[in-house]
Amino acid sequence: DIVLTQTPLSSPVTLGQPASISCRSSQSLVHSTGNTYLSWLQQRPGQPPRLLIYKISNRFSGVPDRFSGSGAGTDFTLKISRVEAEDVGVYYCMQAIQFPYTFGQGTKLEIK
Amino acid sequence: EVQLVESGGGLVQPGGSLRLSCAASGFTFSSYEMSWVRQAPGKGLEWVSYISSRGTTIHYADSVKGRFTVSRDNAKTSLYLQMSSLRAEDTAVYYCARESEWPNDAFDIWGQGTLVTVSS
Repeated sequence: DIVLTQTPLSSPVTLGQPASISCRSSQSLVHSTGNTYLSWLQQRPGQPPRLLIYKISNRFSGVPDRFSGSGAGTDFTLKISRVEAEDVGVYYCMQAIQFPYTFGQGTKLEIK
Repeated sequence: EVQLVESGGGLVQPGGSLRLSCAASGFTFSSYEMSWVRQAPGKGLEWVSYISSRGTTIHYADSVKGRFTVSRDNAKTSLYLQMSSLRAEDTAVYYCARESEWPNDAFDIWGQGTLVTVSS
């Protein structure tokens, strides 16, 4: 199984400041088609997960442009340029290149 | 509005069975692959099962293989998860999720979830 390791597991951030979450995969997430199936999800307290980013860096519909994704191969990053109060929650990376699909452990973003 | 609505959760004794449903609306259900994902209380996300758009390809997590069965009825725009031989560790909120069309392959729509509690 592909293991996704997120760091940090907790991230206290000041409003208006940037935040960054890393996701490292135990093997390459590059599919034979050339696509890399790494996505990022946000789960606000008491809510279901919500897709933020797909294929490393593509923002899903309605996602603010302060969210960005980058990376390649086995190392990926989610960045929030200026954290807002509504960004509080847990962030997960997820791979969909092979079964079983797997998620990172989650990174809890909180306001200082 | 694109929507997924789960139902069927509840309290069940260890060894018991339960059938979850996920009603889809607002999109062409038969064109999309679907998955079940669960989240134990206070824990992270765990993928449970996948079914292709026509139901011809199915995958399960090792933790549920042989006990859970995923199915779909495209005419009824519904996804199902038949769970049997339930264990305490199956206690979780169960979400159904739509997998966006190739080549994007991400879970773009999620239901609100249904809670399954396995306890005597």
